[in-house]
Amino acid sequence: EDKVVQSPLSLVVHEGDTVTLNCSYEVTNFRSLLWYKQEKKAPTFLFMLTSSGIEKKSGRLSSILDKKELFSILNITATQTGDSAVYLCAVGGIQGAQKLVFGQGTRLTINP
Amino acid sequence: KAGVTQTPRYLIKTRGQQVTLSCSPISGHRSVSWYQQTPGQGLQFLFEYFSETQRNKGNFPGRFSGRQFSNSRSEMNVSTLELGDSALYLCASSPSLAGGSNEQFFGPGTRLTVL
Repeated sequence: EDKVVQSPLSLVVHEGDTVTLNCSYEVTNFRSLLWYKQEKKAPTFLFMLTSSGIEKKSGRLSSILDKKELFSILNITATQTGDSAVYLCAVGGIQGAQKLVFGQGTRLTINP
Repeated sequence: KAGVTQTPRYLIKTRGQQVTLSCSPISGHRSVSWYQQTPGQGLQFLFEYFSETQRNKGNFPGRFSGRQFSNSRSEMNVSTLELGDSALYLCASSPSLAGGSNEQFFGPGTRLTVL
């Protein structure tokens, strides 16, 4: 059965710190790994990764995928209180291309 | 481009009733997926519709069903509601081009409470 595991489940840091969120997966016919940020309602799309070793960046956020070791990390530098949210990792396979399997999420709290 | 819209945003029903939720995808997107989100189980895939056909299905009972119209709008229906159906129901749309990616964009969700 396809599985996505995120760690840690919860993280509390101070504003300005750098955080690393982890996502490991076991998925048949892997196609892509996606990161989402969820505040109060709908998850908002952050990154999609399909190739190993290529870092994706958007401002203070960056992510990289390791298809050999089956994991991804999401880094947030110089954290701000607005980064407080649940970060979700999801994986899609070729078979059932639009079926995403989600991890439990990491609840990140940034204290001022 | 307007995002994914879902109606209604909130719904309160009683056990045994049925409910219909609606989703309008991003213009040009042909794939609509539905997910259930609960504190205990997280986000779980219900089903996906593409060109009016159910293309994928998750592990939910037959009380959960859906359909898609020719304009790509989709509805999901839950019959004989149970307390455990209380959840946030999220719809996601994707262009789903041939050989394309899994990139999906979520709507705001419908919060269903079953009493």
